[in-house]
Amino acid sequence: QQQVKQSPQSLIVQKGGIPIINCAYENTAFDYFPWYQQFPGKGPALLIAIRPDVSEKKEGRFTISFNKSAKQFSLHIMDSQPGDSATYFCAAKIADRSGGYQKVTFGTGTKLQVIP
Amino acid sequence: KAGVTQTPRYLIKTRGQQVTLSCSPISGHRSVSWYQQTPGQGLQFLFEYFSETQRNKGNFPGRFSGRQFSNSRSEMNVSTLELGDSALYLCASSLQTYTNEKLFFGSGTQLSVL
Repeated sequence: QQQVKQSPQSLIVQKGGIPIINCAYENTAFDYFPWYQQFPGKGPALLIAIRPDVSEKKEGRFTISFNKSAKQFSLHIMDSQPGDSATYFCAAKIADRSGGYQKVTFGTGTKLQVIP
Repeated sequence: KAGVTQTPRYLIKTRGQQVTLSCSPISGHRSVSWYQQTPGQGLQFLFEYFSETQRNKGNFPGRFSGRQFSNSRSEMNVSTLELGDSALYLCASSLQTYTNEKLFFGSGTQLSVL
């Protein structure tokens, strides 16, 4: 069961463009939504994360927009650069509160290419 | 501070063999989780260990197992390898608190089953 659906699968933008990656989730118990960035030959690295009590979070050129009622969230990359070319994964998680462990559920990834 | 270290980096095995992958977490991190990454499927959760105890397990067959040692280092074992087990296996460590749920991934072990 794919609980986090991510689109598009791949994306090509010109330098300076604003790529947008979208994710939708099903489980309303999710309360932590991170985005991970992965370069070839490396493991994913946390880029930015949001909790559902806010509708937007910005860190540098990266912005998460969150729509709780629609159960959707998206990543926007402002003024994209060739160095942003990577695979981006959205994810969702239920917070651990009772000493147990709730797994992180990842989307299937978006391969972004920023051309000069 | 050293990052998450996974060994070996690459591994080639044949069907029916077994394999053991190793993961050393960031110092002070007691939670270690394992993920299988394949093209088109993203990252699939295998299991998570905390203080030598498995706290959660994904939907993988019993051929996939793991353990964690007292120093938080973890190993993952796959027995009776199948062609479909070819994938990048990622280990992640974290502090795993409500205020800090960031996963730190290693570079992975690329397993090829022939």
